[in-house]
Amino acid sequence: NAGVTQTPKFQVLKTGQSMTLQCAQDMNHEYMSWYRQDPGMGLRLIHYSVGAGITDQGEVPNGYNVSRSTTEDFPLRLLSAAPSQTSVYFCASTTDQETQYFGPGTRLLVL
Amino acid sequence: SQQGEEDPQALSIQEGENATMNCSYKTSINNLQWYRQNSGRGLVHLILIRSNEREKHSGRLRVTLDTSKKSSSLLITASRAADTASYFCATDKGSNTGKLIFGQGTTLQVKP
Repeated sequence: NAGVTQTPKFQVLKTGQSMTLQCAQDMNHEYMSWYRQDPGMGLRLIHYSVGAGITDQGEVPNGYNVSRSTTEDFPLRLLSAAPSQTSVYFCASTTDQETQYFGPGTRLLVL
Repeated sequence: SQQGEEDPQALSIQEGENATMNCSYKTSINNLQWYRQNSGRGLVHLILIRSNEREKHSGRLRVTLDTSKKSSSLLITASRAADTASYFCATDKGSNTGKLIFGQGTTLQVKP
């Protein structure tokens, strides 16, 4: 199993541009989440999903959209990037509502 | 706001010494977890302790939980240079949705 994969690994955007961060898992996990990590801080929850077709907001959802059309994929969309969204983004999944499996992260720089 | 607050923010010890990190949280929980993050990498799950447990061991790791004080500690015994990483506690805030709230982490440096 590949586990949780994220693409791209690194991205540079200009303010106002849009992009989608991809996340996929091959473990048939129901629960998936997106976090952002800023320097010197822990992870903050952006959005999460408890199954295909069901999503909800986390702590810092503004500026981000998600959808969950399949169990495997959970893309995160930035509609109009802002410098404040410069961060490292982690996707995670779990099957038992407990142990989370994390992807390697996407480093995003918004100029 | 962060559910978990960790202490200390940074810790530097010599190889072979024990490292203790503390985590405090604010709301009721079903469980508390500890994760490790090597520089530039994703987080890796270390250990989970349930709200009805007081202590748990896994190899060189020992976790305690005091729900009356809303606090937990992670002890790494006989530390190695390879233990150098950031360590985060995470709680579920009593929900069953698979969402976790993370602390700000403790950065551990183990000097050879």
